[in-house]
Amino acid sequence: AQKITQTQPGMFVQEKEAVTLDCTYDTSDQSYGLFWYKQPSSGEMIFLIYQGSYDEQNATEGRYSLNFQKARKSANLVISASQLGDSAMYFCAMRDMGYKLSFGAGTTVTVRA
Amino acid sequence: DSGVTQTPKHLITATGQRVTLRCSPRSGDLSVYWYQQSLDQGLQFLIQYYNGEERAKGNILERFSAQQFPDLHSELNLSSLELGDSALYFCASSVDEGMVTGELFFGEGSRLTVL
Repeated sequence: AQKITQTQPGMFVQEKEAVTLDCTYDTSDQSYGLFWYKQPSSGEMIFLIYQGSYDEQNATEGRYSLNFQKARKSANLVISASQLGDSAMYFCAMRDMGYKLSFGAGTTVTVRA
Repeated sequence: DSGVTQTPKHLITATGQRVTLRCSPRSGDLSVYWYQQSLDQGLQFLIQYYNGEERAKGNILERFSAQQFPDLHSELNLSSLELGDSALYFCASSVDEGMVTGELFFGEGSRLTVL
């Protein structure tokens, strides 16, 4: 069974600073995919970034980058130049070869002005 | 806007009742996934359909059922509702069977409250 671990329940970050959200995963599959989603207080799940297990380069999408360390089984999300609108819950998720997407418990990010 | 449409957005009902949640995937997407988000269980995968056929099953209760219709929209049926079924139910869609492209987009969710 696969498992996604997000060890930081909540984090505070100053506006315009960078923040790193930790995510570790456990799988025996060779092919898998890692996702990060943002869930603001309004409730919708917003796709941020994706990394395939065979992708050699770290994924980037605007201010979001995924620090993928395959040997360590970690897929940390880095948000650069934080904005007040980044305050939300962030979920790490993994797709296994059975096509199921499993989520971590989430990390709440609060951006301070 | 993800392009995934879920209705209703909010639903309040009583224990023992039955409800149906509806999902229209993004144009061109063949896979539909259902997830349940509750405070105590977090985000739980329920079931996946691909082009009308069931592809994967997660922690879906026997009281729950789903299907995907020829026009690719999907419905999640929840019956004999209990207080613990109160949750946010998400639908997500992807173009392929296994999210291989990395594109998986969620609807805004249907918030179910069972009183």
